[in-house]
Amino acid sequence: GAVVSQHPSRVICKSGTSVKIECRSLDFQATTMFWYRQFPKQSLMLMATSNEGSKATYEQGVEKDKFLINHASLTLSTLTVTSAHPEDSSFYICSAQGTGVRSNQPQHFGDGTRLSIL
Amino acid sequence: AQSVTQLGSHVSVSEGALVLLRCNYSSSVPPYLFWYVQYPNQGLQLLLKYTSAATLVKGINGFEAEFKKSETSFHLTKPSAHMSDAAEYFCAVSAGGSNYKLTFGKGTLLTVNP
Repeated sequence: GAVVSQHPSRVICKSGTSVKIECRSLDFQATTMFWYRQFPKQSLMLMATSNEGSKATYEQGVEKDKFLINHASLTLSTLTVTSAHPEDSSFYICSAQGTGVRSNQPQHFGDGTRLSIL
Repeated sequence: AQSVTQLGSHVSVSEGALVLLRCNYSSSVPPYLFWYVQYPNQGLQLLLKYTSAATLVKGINGFEAEFKKSETSFHLTKPSAHMSDAAEYFCAVSAGGSNYKLTFGKGTLLTVNP
């Protein structure tokens, strides 16, 4: 079964709305979580690396004020797309670094969130 | 620095035929290599991984891959394609050890024809 839960799976909202996406590790503690963006028929683009209790590290070209990341606990990281616009529409995927019994994989992936901004 | 090149954005095979998806990597340190599969509107599922042990790696669903250092390759194969194998496949590399950051290739869409 899934070891990383991402919610919601799909969201449609109006331009200007802020949208929060949650990523939870279900049976392990994730000191590090990753947020990716995937455009249609393209690869995953790493947006940021999130470490529990500290500020996220953003990749070059990713707007920190647009994509707010919070990693307040060892099992939960959130991505908030602030004042979303149509160009923010995309598929967002989170992953959690494997630890303990889940260290057999470097990252465990959520099922993604399809964000559509009207 | 690391990078991955997947040759062929789209591969089409007949059901029962051999599947070969190509991946070449570049890494300044001994790499860890991975193949992931993605079904529509889903996240990534790990098929198999190479972490400096056996060079021929067997994964789930009958897939396997061989690490060839001399060719800097890590091609994915399956002897007989099944309709359920139709999906997007991503090759990825990491620096290994405690470095969990993955660099992905652009992906290869596999279609399986009846």
